[in-house]
Amino acid sequence: RKEVEQDPGPFNVPEGATVAFNCTYSNSASQSFFWYRQDCRKEPKLLMSVYSSGNEDGRFTAQLNRASQYISLLIRDSKLSDSATYLCVVNHGTYKYIFGTGTRLKVLA
Amino acid sequence: NAGVTQTPKFQVLKTGQSMTLQCAQDMNHNSMYWYRQDPGMGLRLIYYSASEGTTDKGEVPNGYNVSRLNKREFSLRLESAAPSQTSVYFCASSDGTLYEQYFGPGTRLTVT
Repeated sequence: RKEVEQDPGPFNVPEGATVAFNCTYSNSASQSFFWYRQDCRKEPKLLMSVYSSGNEDGRFTAQLNRASQYISLLIRDSKLSDSATYLCVVNHGTYKYIFGTGTRLKVLA
Repeated sequence: NAGVTQTPKFQVLKTGQSMTLQCAQDMNHNSMYWYRQDPGMGLRLIYYSASEGTTDKGEVPNGYNVSRLNKREFSLRLESAAPSQTSVYFCASSDGTLYEQYFGPGTRLTVT
């Protein structure tokens, strides 16, 4: 079993839709959690850190469920520019970051 | 601020050739990392440097060496390139508090 698992998608959604991705992790000792966005042939860019209390940044909301060992990302009012691959990243409190393989989102006009 | 910069952006090598990938960051981060990204796989850590003067192996270090030249710069060397090293290489840096990583634009390496 992979340490971090994501549904690869693609998730095809119309503009304006709400879409949610989940990411499960296997190491209960994981301490920090992140969502990154990666455009085709570009570097991963930090979208948001995920805090225990959950956090929101504009149209994006991230949640952490330690009991069930997953994090989620909700995107409201999807824009064409949101089309990308979303990477889930888990950190074990050291220098070990585990990357998911990503969930591909396509927002359709 | 440029953030994290990498050179070169693209490189084609023949099997057995050597090269060095350069990385620099201007965010005053202590920690720096080298990853490779292959299709269908998550980023995998090659080497990291927790602070200036230290380097440690990651998940896939074989065939690579690194040098932390100073706080800003962290280079990755392929001594004898192999086709299995065809990949996209990303350098990253992080602070020691939030553990948020910031990535360079990547180097696309093809070994023939």
